[in-house]
Amino acid sequence: GAVVSQHPSRVICKSGTSVKIECRSLDFQATTMFWYRQFPKQSLMLMATSNEGSKATYEQGVEKDKFLINHASLTLSTLTVTSAHPEDSSFYICSARTGYNSPLHFGNGTRLTVT
Amino acid sequence: QQPVQSPQAVILREGEDAVINCSSSKALYSVHWYRQKHGEAPVFLMILLKGGEQKGHEKISASFNEKKQQSSLYLTASQLSYSGTYFCGTAPGNTGKLIFGQGTTLQVKP
Repeated sequence: GAVVSQHPSRVICKSGTSVKIECRSLDFQATTMFWYRQFPKQSLMLMATSNEGSKATYEQGVEKDKFLINHASLTLSTLTVTSAHPEDSSFYICSARTGYNSPLHFGNGTRLTVT
Repeated sequence: QQPVQSPQAVILREGEDAVINCSSSKALYSVHWYRQKHGEAPVFLMILLKGGEQKGHEKISASFNEKKQQSSLYLTASQLSYSGTYFCGTAPGNTGKLIFGQGTTLQVKP
């Protein structure tokens, strides 16, 4: 149980275009979803916290107009990287939990390459 | 706000033990531990919710010292499958969001 599906797993896009990443909890309802970014051999850096039906809370330094997060239902959150630039190339990974002190269940991540 | 992990890297032989520490400058309400293998998603190991709580999972266990604002992960009789990067996660100010430490890379050799 507690499976989180993230798509796509890899995406290559041209500079200036937008990319949407989907994160779905398949067998549970996720009250909260988190979006992280990870550079090679580095830690998971929290980008934003997303609660169903409300606006996402972004971490300091994360541009909310660039990284659009929508949490449309208890099982789906999306991250849209708008007007992507090469420096946005990274590994983006979502996670979901059922309750406040519950474990995080991670998707398999999306490798974004902006050319 | 990011918790600090030590050591940064550990190399072990199969059967040896290891301890990974996680400390925070802020009050801790809970500590999570995850393991990530290269190219894969992090996998949940355990949560400690109370000060002084210890939990175990096979040969991997953890303790949580609320007063010292730190947690330790204990890996005993390590197996090759234990290799990976271990992250502790803490929730600053009981906000519920999880901030991860910089990670500890563990390599178990035959």
